[in-house]
Amino acid sequence: GAVVSQHPSWVICKSGTSVKIECRSLDFQATTMFWYRQFPKQSLMLMATSNEGSKATYEQGVEKDKFLINHASLTLSTLTVTSAHPEDSSFYICSARGVAAQGGQPQHFGDGTRLSIL
Amino acid sequence: GDSVTQMEGPVTLSEEAFLTINCTYTATGYPSLFWYVQYPGEGLQLLLKATKADDKGSNKGFEATYRKETTSFHLEKGSVQVSDSAVYFCALSDQAGTALIFGKGTTLSVSS
Repeated sequence: GAVVSQHPSWVICKSGTSVKIECRSLDFQATTMFWYRQFPKQSLMLMATSNEGSKATYEQGVEKDKFLINHASLTLSTLTVTSAHPEDSSFYICSARGVAAQGGQPQHFGDGTRLSIL
Repeated sequence: GDSVTQMEGPVTLSEEAFLTINCTYTATGYPSLFWYVQYPGEGLQLLLKATKADDKGSNKGFEATYRKETTSFHLEKGSVQVSDSAVYFCALSDQAGTALIFGKGTTLSVSS
């Protein structure tokens, strides 16, 4: 159980393109989803926390107009990288936490999306 | 603020060797502690967790004990396999269940 599907797994596109990444909880309802960014051989950096039906909370230094997050339902959150540039190339990972989960409940991670901007 | 410190890698071991990856944390209150594993090109998988002091999490031969007195959650395995080669992340989550705070990750490479 507790499967999180992330799509696409790999995308290559030209500079200036906007890219949408989907994160779906397949067998549970997720009130909270998290978006992380991971640079090569480094740890995950939290970008934003999204709660279903409300605006995402962005971490300091993350441009909310650049990284648009929508959490329209209990099973789907999307991250759109607008007007992507080479410096946005990275591995983006989403995670989801179930309804009524508290600190002891783990987040369930998607397999990540490798974004390469040419 | 809360933080997690992991031993620097990479860790290189022969098959069947004993593994320890050190993890210490700084947190207010009583965090939950986790170990996640990331295989090449994949997302993170929960390996084990502990939610209170003296709890021992275990899975797939790995184990870690929540030590409040030393603020540690070291990962151990008695006999590693080549298939254990991956990056291991220690993480904590506060009682409110806010986002995980990760250590920098430790790369484990096991050779046959």
